[in-house]
Amino acid sequence: QSVLTQPPSTSGTPGQRVTISCSGSSSNIVTPYVYWYQQLPGTAPKLLIYRSSQRPSGVPDRFSGSKSGTSASLAISGLRSEDEADYYCAAWDDALSGPVFGGGTKLTVL
Amino acid sequence: EVQLVESGGGLVQPGGSLRLSCAASGFTFSSYWMSWVRQAPGKGLEWVANIKEDGSEKYYVDSVKGRFSMSRDNAKMSVYLQMHSLRAEDTAVYYCARSSYDFWSPGYWGQGTLVTVSS
Repeated sequence: QSVLTQPPSTSGTPGQRVTISCSGSSSNIVTPYVYWYQQLPGTAPKLLIYRSSQRPSGVPDRFSGSKSGTSASLAISGLRSEDEADYYCAAWDDALSGPVFGGGTKLTVL
Repeated sequence: EVQLVESGGGLVQPGGSLRLSCAASGFTFSSYWMSWVRQAPGKGLEWVANIKEDGSEKYYVDSVKGRFSMSRDNAKMSVYLQMHSLRAEDTAVYYCARSSYDFWSPGYWGQGTLVTVSS
């Protein structure tokens, strides 16, 4: 059982907007340091969003992040087939003195 | 270009030991925290350990404390994960990662090396 809770799966059609939630507790997501990673099939994870809403260079602006209280969200607009992947949130956990990951959400593009 | 290349994975019996290595290039290695993150087959990501730029601080997930040891050699631009008393539940792909915007947050990842603990 992961410290951060994500829905196991979600889906959308090309062009649609989807959101993935990440729920934590007062020991982790209360800080602004929520990260999102994309893992394409058979590859290593890739940093998608840092500090809740910032995009590293090279990440399309179709990807956006937000945080409110002990929850965070990743939104993907203009869905494309190449977005089909697993998405993970991560945050620092004060109680565990280490980073924790969500269980991951598998995005299927129909 | 940042590159991280892991090696040392393989099949090991329960109770055995293994040493993973990660060779880095393309950045000032001694300026970054480094981490190991693992992923069991078909499962999610789990942070395992990280180490400060100069090696003076190291942190581990509870499940590996006392069994795993992370180290680094800045001259060789490499990090290592020495694993002892391996268990079946340690079976996973182990990724080496460089910190990004916060010391604990993986930014760049290697391709991973598979560790299988089985008799």
